[in-house]
Amino acid sequence: EVQLVESGGGLVQPGGSLRLSCAASGFTFSSSWMHWVRQAPGMGLVWVSRINIDGTTTTYADSVEGRFTISRDNAKSTLYLQMNSLRDEDTAVYYCVIPQSGTAAADPFNYWGQGTLVTVSS
Amino acid sequence: DIQMTQSPSTLSASVGDTVTITCRASQSISYWLAWYQQKPGKAPKLLIYKASSLESGVPSRFSGSGSGTEFTLTITSLQPDDFATYYCQQSNRYPLTFGGGTKVGIK
Repeated sequence: EVQLVESGGGLVQPGGSLRLSCAASGFTFSSSWMHWVRQAPGMGLVWVSRINIDGTTTTYADSVEGRFTISRDNAKSTLYLQMNSLRDEDTAVYYCVIPQSGTAAADPFNYWGQGTLVTVSS
Repeated sequence: DIQMTQSPSTLSASVGDTVTITCRASQSISYWLAWYQQKPGKAPKLLIYKASSLESGVPSRFSGSGSGTEFTLTITSLQPDDFATYYCQQSNRYPLTFGGGTKVGIK
């Protein structure tokens, strides 16, 4: 059974940093692209970032480019999101997600973690 | 970025009704369109991909159609478990973008 378990969320002040983790199991993590999607309270879904299978290719939404860094440790089957210079508007539930085939850029997301809440507030 | 516009944003329906949700893309996305269902406090669930392909395990009362810039999600014979929020998402071009959501409530 595929499992994605996010952790690392919490309350942080504006300008602060936080690192999210996503522990993956039940599939071949090292063969799958991975993504982060976020959802502000009461709002819609927003794609944040993606990383390829060996971590050499990353893509970001404009809103987080230069502040967030996605990375992975295939030996630990874990995905990360380092978030720096956090802003109020980064407050959201952050989901770790897997594309359907694992490798195709246009695949939809058929597995989602339960999400971890990040609250940016003074 | 490709803008995805869903309509309506909310709708009220009764069990047994047929419901149609529309999603429009700001430019052609071919058939690279997915639909998700989300219930309060839960992660989204994939329903439809490539505009009209039903995800494994999803009831056949859900169907999708369309190509290019206009797409629809139809729920035939609405069931109590279907009251939720539905999102479309394009995967034709990065950044991936989602529609604003359609909340299906009980009439």
